[in-house]
Amino acid sequence: AQSVTQLDSHVSVSEGTPVLLRCNYSSSYSPSLFWYVQHPNKGLQLLLKYTSAATLVKGINGFEAEFKKSETSFHLTKPSAHMSDAAEYFCVVSGTKGYSTLTFGKGTMLLVSP
Amino acid sequence: GAGVSQSPRYKVAKRGQDVALRCDPISGHVSLFWYQQALGQGPEFLTYFQNEAQLDKSGLPSDRFFAERPEGSVSTLKIQRTQQEDSAVYLCASSLGSRDTQYFGPGTRLTVL
Repeated sequence: AQSVTQLDSHVSVSEGTPVLLRCNYSSSYSPSLFWYVQHPNKGLQLLLKYTSAATLVKGINGFEAEFKKSETSFHLTKPSAHMSDAAEYFCVVSGTKGYSTLTFGKGTMLLVSP
Repeated sequence: GAGVSQSPRYKVAKRGQDVALRCDPISGHVSLFWYQQALGQGPEFLTYFQNEAQLDKSGLPSDRFFAERPEGSVSTLKIQRTQQEDSAVYLCASSLGSRDTQYFGPGTRLTVL
């Protein structure tokens, strides 16, 4: 079975400083990995996904993530935080069946202060 | 175009009542998923439909939970005899194909008193 562990439940940054949200995965196969963002009272939105192509994945709103097989990590980064980035972020791994049942981490709440 | 919509957005039920939650997927999307998100947790898979066929219901927590998608579009998640532990946000997602990107609706927040 696959799983993801988000290492921080909360991350606080100042506007304009870098963002790092950490995620480790466990999988017996080459996984598909995703980052989703959830703003209050809104649906989950896909930020980016890794599907065994380039290990550095660029997403929307300036976010990117690097797949590191040796470290079983898929950390999310952004060079400069914006107030609108404040939200909850989920690291997600896809199942191996013919359809994608997604397994979510517990989430990391990103707080951005002025 | 329109995204995934869910109704109602909020539902309060008394313990023991039956509830029905509706999901309208993106038009043309073959695959439909239901997830349950407890407070402070990530979403957890409940069930999967391909068109009208329910191919996986392994995540349904009890036989009080029932889902259907009779015409391969709109889906309904029904919970019978609701319990307090059923309080959660229920999310619906659809995708064009079975392994394509899933697009999520805003969810239905169910509170059981």
